[in-house]
This record gives sequence, structure tokens and C-alpha cells, in this order.
Amino acid sequence: DTAVSQTPKYLVTQMGNDKSIKCEQNLGHDTMYWYKQDSKKFLKIMFSYNNKELIINETVPNRFSPKSPDKAHLNLHINSLELGDSAVYFCASSVMTGVGYEQYFGPGTRLTVT
Amino acid sequence: GNSVTQMEGPVTLSEEAFLTINCTYTATGYPSLFWYVQYPGEGLQLLLKATKADDKGSNKGFEATYRKETTSFHLEKGSVQVSDSAVYFCALSNPYSSASKIIFGSGTRLSIRP
Repeated sequence: DTAVSQTPKYLVTQMGNDKSIKCEQNLGHDTMYWYKQDSKKFLKIMFSYNNKELIINETVPNRFSPKSPDKAHLNLHINSLELGDSAVYFCASSVMTGVGYEQYFGPGTRLTVT
Repeated sequence: GNSVTQMEGPVTLSEEAFLTINCTYTATGYPSLFWYVQYPGEGLQLLLKATKADDKGSNKGFEATYRKETTSFHLEKGSVQVSDSAVYFCALSNPYSSASKIIFGSGTRLSIRP
């Protein structure tokens, strides 16, 4: 009965490779997000989709491309991986409560680029 | 614009000590305010929330009161346990601006000594 799930949990790869991270939510939420968390735990929003439409696209290199095949899934594809891409990536989904958005996070994917 | 400022960590306390983690915010209108907790190796979990002035959110012995006059939402717990060791994030959601974005503080790492 996992609410927001991500795969894989750990990803170790070499510079220059292309990799994908998958995210699925079974909460029926319309909005999904990708965040990057650095080693100091700072959270940076990367993208947000609402019902398969891109609504937030922060300053992120073009090597990062999100894809939302349906409102329950939001995948992240990264081309030409660099050392600086090493971080934990979190997927989240949210529901509008009428007074603001409440977010639910996945367990994270720890990406290590060597 | 909207922003959240929380006290820098790390915060180290002995078990059964009183905890306060300060959080102040800047926002237009009436945002909702949240505290999220991230235990080691996990994603963020919603700890508590408050949606209007003078509301008190509470969960697992933690409390925070929405103070509009001081634009604050400080997290408190009367007697901390080793299991409370985690990173705590203050956040706001403002339906009047920033679309579906939730603004997070930089996180405060809490360590509890037995």
C-alpha cells in the first residue's frame, strides 16, 4: 500500500551514461514533482507536472528531462551524467486542500556518479 | 516573494530535553504552514500543519503554532527521544501565488544523545 514509490533506490553509474528514475503514486493526486537533495540536505525543486502537463520547470540543465505518461507516473531521465549530479532525488505528489498544497514524498533514489 | 527561514543546525540535545526549532516565513496572503521530518535514509514525511492564524498543529508530541503577528511557526517538543533524531524542514504553501510550489526551509538536523 505504498503511496509514492520510486525505483531504483540506489543507482551507481559512470560519467557520461544515461539513466532513468521511475516514480509512481497511488494516491490519486493530480500533481507530481521531482526534487534534488544535496549532501547538506538542501531540497531543490526541479520539475512539477499537473495531470501530465509541465507546470514548474526550474533552472535545470537540459540533460534532465521529465516524462509523465499519465497522472500517476512521473519519470526522470538524465543524459550524459556528470559528477555533480550525484545526489538523492525525491519524487513527490500533492493534493490541493483548499488552503494550500500538501506533499507526500517517495523514499528517494540515491544517485552516485563515478 | 515567499520564503522560509529556519535555524541552522545541527542541534544536539540530551534525551528528555526541551526542543525548539525556529522557523519564520515571508508570504503574501494566508499560506498554510508545515513541518516535515526526514529520518535517516528516508523521504520526507509530513509531521504537522496549520492552515490559519493561531492554529496549532500537533503530532507525536511535537507542536507548532501559526503566529501571523510574528510570521513564525516554531517547532517544539517537551521531552525529546533518541528516535527523534532526524532532519526537520519548515515549509509553506501559498495558494495565492507560486502555483503548486511548496517552499521549504534549508532543514535543521537534530541529534539526541542517550
